[in-house]
Amino acid sequence: DVKVTQSSRYLVKRTGEKVFLECVQDMDHENMFWYRQDPGLGLRLIYFSYDVKMKEKGDIPEGYSVSREKKERFSLILESASTNQTSMYLCASTDETRGQGYNEQFFGPGTRLTVL
Amino acid sequence: AQSVAQPEDQVNVAEGNPLTVKCTYSVSGNPYLFWYVQYPNRGLQFLLKYITGDNLVKGSYGFEAEFNKSQTSFHLKKPSALVSDSALYFCAVRRLVDKAAGNKLTFGGGTRVLVKP
Repeated sequence: DVKVTQSSRYLVKRTGEKVFLECVQDMDHENMFWYRQDPGLGLRLIYFSYDVKMKEKGDIPEGYSVSREKKERFSLILESASTNQTSMYLCASTDETRGQGYNEQFFGPGTRLTVL
Repeated sequence: AQSVAQPEDQVNVAEGNPLTVKCTYSVSGNPYLFWYVQYPNRGLQFLLKYITGDNLVKGSYGFEAEFNKSQTSFHLKKPSALVSDSALYFCAVRRLVDKAAGNKLTFGGGTRVLVKP
């Protein structure tokens, strides 16, 4: 089975801190994603990576950056955490190449981040 | 732009009764449609998808969905709901293929399903 793991289930940080969320997948998937999930808004795409060192902004990239130095690992960075970044963060991966779009994404368990 | 609407925030159903979770979409071209489920304190799990072919798609845990092009809908159904089906359900549509958008999904806001014994 595909496994997507995230470094923390729960995280509490203070305003202004730099926050790192880590995601690792074990199935050699090329594509990885970071979403945030908020009630009533569904999942919104923050960043997307289709290969090592390749990244694209999603719908809400402001205040975030990402790093993909190895194929299996995709990190989300909150440069200076703010209270409006309190949310559930979900990582996902999929094994299809760009431009196809018909394979499902596999999700990690999520990190619930609270910024005080 | 692609969009997905789940008109019901919550659906309540008695155990053993049919369950329907509604989803409508707006997309240019042929839609690729997905349903995911999220159990409490868990990530999303894939249930089923429509890519092409038969309009009735069968998926995991006894769920099925019917693609209706004229009504631009992709409702999720289960003939007999279980208490364990209580969860948050998300409909999603693939975005138009551009330089790298083929894998990106647009999600609906989610529908919470509560199945009562």
